[in-house]
Amino acid sequence: GDSVTQMEGPVTLSEEAFLTINCTYTATGYPSLFWYVQYPGEGLQLLLKATKADDKGSNKGFEATYRKETTSFHLEKGSVQVSDSAVYFCALMNRDDKIIFGKGTRLHILP
Amino acid sequence: NAGVTQTPKFRILKIGQSMTLQCTQDMNHNYMYWYRQDPGMGLKLIYYSVGAGITDKGEVPNGYNVSRSTTEDFPLRLELAAPSQTSVYFCASSLDSNYGYTFGSGTRLTVV
Repeated sequence: GDSVTQMEGPVTLSEEAFLTINCTYTATGYPSLFWYVQYPGEGLQLLLKATKADDKGSNKGFEATYRKETTSFHLEKGSVQVSDSAVYFCALMNRDDKIIFGKGTRLHILP
Repeated sequence: NAGVTQTPKFRILKIGQSMTLQCTQDMNHNYMYWYRQDPGMGLKLIYYSVGAGITDKGEVPNGYNVSRSTTEDFPLRLELAAPSQTSVYFCASSLDSNYGYTFGSGTRLTVV
């Protein structure tokens, strides 16, 4: 069945470091892909999305490119801040219009 | 604009008790969803609805029931609470499948 695999956390970085969180997916067809962010004590918020191959989603300095050939949607940011500390979820929308989430990656940014 | 509102935020139940988790959205979204989030396990879909009067099971529906009498409301019912239902529950809604979801802030439920 459809699934999303993302790198295990926690990921700990210093402020201004470069961030990559890997995400790969298995799905039939060409699903829409998403990154959600969950700050402590809150619900998930949509961070960015891409709906077709080679699309790049971006928001708040984060970027991810839909790579059909490698079935990947890695999240990147050039210079992280302490305020980026959160749990990040990669997700896909399958053919049944349901979102399948990865297990989440906890990110800690040290000042 | 309130978005998706969930109540209560926290609840402790005894085994065998019942309760209803409330979810309301004011965005006129047709699609609504209930997820549970267990530590280290991501989110699992419990039930979903594509419009008023229509509901369907997700990945983990056992022990839960839902109804969708209006576009705005999508309550989740636990009839006989069990310790395995200790979790954080999130309600979400969407306008269209390509727009992603808007999530509520969650209900943290503990069954003892």
